[in-house]
Amino acid sequence: GQSLEQPSEVTAVEGAIVQINCTYQTSGFYGLSWYQQHDGGAPTFLSYNALDGLEETGRFSSFLSRSDSYGYLLLQELQMKDSASYFCAVRAHAGNMLTFGGGTRLMVKP
Amino acid sequence: ETGVTQTPRHLVMGMTNKKSLKCEQHLGHNAMYWYKQSAKKPLELMFVYSLEERVENNSVPSRFSPECPNSSHLFLHLHTLQPEDSALYLCASSQLGDRVYEQYFGPGTRLTVT
Repeated sequence: GQSLEQPSEVTAVEGAIVQINCTYQTSGFYGLSWYQQHDGGAPTFLSYNALDGLEETGRFSSFLSRSDSYGYLLLQELQMKDSASYFCAVRAHAGNMLTFGGGTRLMVKP
Repeated sequence: ETGVTQTPRHLVMGMTNKKSLKCEQHLGHNAMYWYKQSAKKPLELMFVYSLEERVENNSVPSRFSPECPNSSHLFLHLHTLQPEDSALYLCASSQLGDRVYEQYFGPGTRLTVT
């Protein structure tokens, strides 16, 4: 089977930088995605890493180390609107399925 | 309408009722998904439809029955549900192949089974 581990909750202050980690154990690996979900909203796609290294998209960056089965989402210049749940998801094989982690609830305080 | 839409947004049903959830995507995608989101649990994939082929999570009970009449529409038929089936049911769509990692979700149907 597949399993992904994320911290359940992270708190940070406005303007700070926060890193949300994700470790995975899967039978195969094609890539790691990150999604954001605000309370009462739908998950929205943030980023994807298939290869090792850092991918940057504005204030958000995502990192992958396939040898360590580990990735993280880095959020810079935190804003109050970044308060949400963040999910990592692994594509474990060539099919059309993603396996999601339990999500990390980020609370940004003034 | 744009993106992925779902109806109804909220549904309360008794354990003996039969109801259906509807999903429609306006993105030209060729794969559609049903997910279940319960409190304090990971998002759980229930069914995938792509090119009229269905893949299902073997742990999903038979009281959930999907239907995908075409690449834009997806239904989830519900019958004789249990209280533990109360959850947020999310529909998503994507392109096949390498773009499967970028899924677009609808707003969900909040289901309460009484």
